[in-house]
Amino acid sequence: DAGVTQSPTHLIKTRGQQVTLRCSPKSGHDTVSWYQQALGQGPQFIFQYYEEEERQRGNFPDRFSGHQFPNYSSELNVNALLLGDSALYLCASSLKGDRDIQPQHFGDGTRLSIL
Amino acid sequence: GEDVEQSLFLSVREGDSSVINCTYTDSSSTYLYWYKQEPGAGLQLLTYIFSNMDMKQDQRLTVLLNKKDKHLSLRIADTQTGDSAIYFCAETGDTGFQKLVFGTGTRLLVSP
Repeated sequence: DAGVTQSPTHLIKTRGQQVTLRCSPKSGHDTVSWYQQALGQGPQFIFQYYEEEERQRGNFPDRFSGHQFPNYSSELNVNALLLGDSALYLCASSLKGDRDIQPQHFGDGTRLSIL
Repeated sequence: GEDVEQSLFLSVREGDSSVINCTYTDSSSTYLYWYKQEPGAGLQLLTYIFSNMDMKQDQRLTVLLNKKDKHLSLRIADTQTGDSAIYFCAETGDTGFQKLVFGTGTRLLVSP
């Protein structure tokens, strides 16, 4: 049973560039969330996708956008990269339960470095 | 607003018990979670507790919840060097679409 997989594992970009990160959810999961983890900090919620729609969004600018595909996989896009965007980007998947909250399972993340 | 606080560092000897503490502010939090992060890795779900419970035990892990004081703790019995990692407490609301709000993490160092 494959867990959450993310690609690439590491990425180096320069300021102003654009980047796309990818995530495949755990088998059977239909909801994907993205988090940004700066060095020495806890993860910060970016947004969550369910049924190919953004359902909830954290305090991140519009430069951060996403997409969910019919197979539940997801992409995170960041435009006009800033030095402050350097972080570990984590994808988490879960199953949207009708009555119970389902725990989120995380991938190993993509380490993004901006030069 | 939502806020989760944890102490930054804990050092124990192998075989001792470790207790990692967390306080949160959102009284509507329905579930509270403990995640473990090893160097260079993502977050591993350790355990979680529903807000109407006081305690949950899972092998070496015991979670205690004091909802009145909004205090959560994770006790690791017989701590091993492999338990050295950063431990994050996280809370979530009561809706079907919910974000996790994390603390800054507690770095646990287990010495032989």
